[in-house]
Amino acid sequence: GAVVSQHPSRVICKSGTSVKIECRSLDFQATTMFWYRQFPKQSLMLMATSNEGSKATYEQGVEKDKFLINHASLTLSTLTVTSAHPEDSSFYICSAATGTSGNEQFFGPGTRLTVL
Amino acid sequence: SQQGEEDPQALSIQEGENATMNCSYKTSINNLQWYRQNSGRGLVHLILIRSNEREKHSGRLRVTLDTSKKSSSLLITASRAADTASYFCATGLRQIKAAGNKLTFGGGTRVLVKP
Repeated sequence: GAVVSQHPSRVICKSGTSVKIECRSLDFQATTMFWYRQFPKQSLMLMATSNEGSKATYEQGVEKDKFLINHASLTLSTLTVTSAHPEDSSFYICSAATGTSGNEQFFGPGTRLTVL
Repeated sequence: SQQGEEDPQALSIQEGENATMNCSYKTSINNLQWYRQNSGRGLVHLILIRSNEREKHSGRLRVTLDTSKKSSSLLITASRAADTASYFCATGLRQIKAAGNKLTFGGGTRVLVKP
């Protein structure tokens, strides 16, 4: 149990286009989802926290108009990178937690975004 | 901001040897977690230690936590080639009106276990 999927696993897009990444909890209801970004050979940086039905809370330095997060249901959160640029190329990882999962949260497999 | 610092950044050992990596942090925590990441893949949760715990074991893993020094260590005993991965510590802080923890990750330790 406690499986989180991400789609797509890899995406290549042209500069200026928008890309949507989905994060799904497959067998549980995710009250809260987290979005992270990881540059090559670096650590994960939390971008934002989203609760189902609420606006996301963004970390300092993360542009909310550039990284649109929607958590419309208890099993799906989406991250849209708008007007993507090469510097947005990164590994995006989501994680999900429930009100009953205590301290544990479950990570998705990540999405590799390459902006040309 | 990245509050966890890990040491060493990279570690190369022979199969069968033990691997030890350390993590330091700066602010108050509810818990500290260790994760493993294989190259280009997602994270695998290894172990969680609460702020009121000092040591925890899980199989070949041993984690210690010293809140007075704001540091933690992860020991992998009798390492195997399959343990080759990057290991991250993450400090967890419970949030109001949110499930799970707000995690702040350390820089990671890249471990290479040579057969």
